[in-house]
Amino acid sequence: SQKIEQNSEALNIQEGKTATLTCNYTNYSPAYLQWYRQDPGRGPVFLLLIRENEKEKRKERLKVTFDTTLKQSLFHITASQPADSATYLCALDKSNTGKLIFGQGTTLQVKP
Amino acid sequence: GAGVSQSPSNKVTEKGKDVELRCDPISGHTALYWYRQSLGQGLEFLIYFQGNSAPDKSGLPSDRFSAERTGGSVSTLTIQRTQQEDSAVYLCASSPRQTMNTEAFFGQGTRLTVV
Repeated sequence: SQKIEQNSEALNIQEGKTATLTCNYTNYSPAYLQWYRQDPGRGPVFLLLIRENEKEKRKERLKVTFDTTLKQSLFHITASQPADSATYLCALDKSNTGKLIFGQGTTLQVKP
Repeated sequence: GAGVSQSPSNKVTEKGKDVELRCDPISGHTALYWYRQSLGQGLEFLIYFQGNSAPDKSGLPSDRFSAERTGGSVSTLTIQRTQQEDSAVYLCASSPRQTMNTEAFFGQGTRLTVV
């Protein structure tokens, strides 16, 4: 079956360290993959999009990689801050028709 | 407004009643999505509208769930004969979909509680 998997366990790191979150998928060949941030009681907010022909994408302290051979995307937050604490969701277009499917999200807690 | 608007923000209903949840997408966005999020869980895809194409209803969990999108704009998600397991946050999102890879803009969600 087709799956998108993110670490269900919360990730706890110290302020200033780099956080790395993983998104694995099976039985898809997506043309792109997206990452979103969700705070409690709020809807997800778009962060980054990476296309299948891009290995890496950066935006300020954020970096996303996309390995279509491993079927994996890594999401990095460098110099993490307590304000980065949130749930991070990956999403991909299941059939390249615009239908976005989300992983279950990983909760990040950055301790001061 | 500038964003996706959902109403009501909270809804408490008795088991067996019907409910309607409304979504006003961003003006001009051709794609509209409905998702369901149970407590501590990820987003469960429900239905996807894209322009004038037939909607993708593959995520609707039962025939008690239906959705419409009138005039390519406002959408209503209807749940008939609500059950306690329908309690969740229902999120709507829209996207310009002018190209294949554009971000989705989410509303704040409707928190549905079935008692």
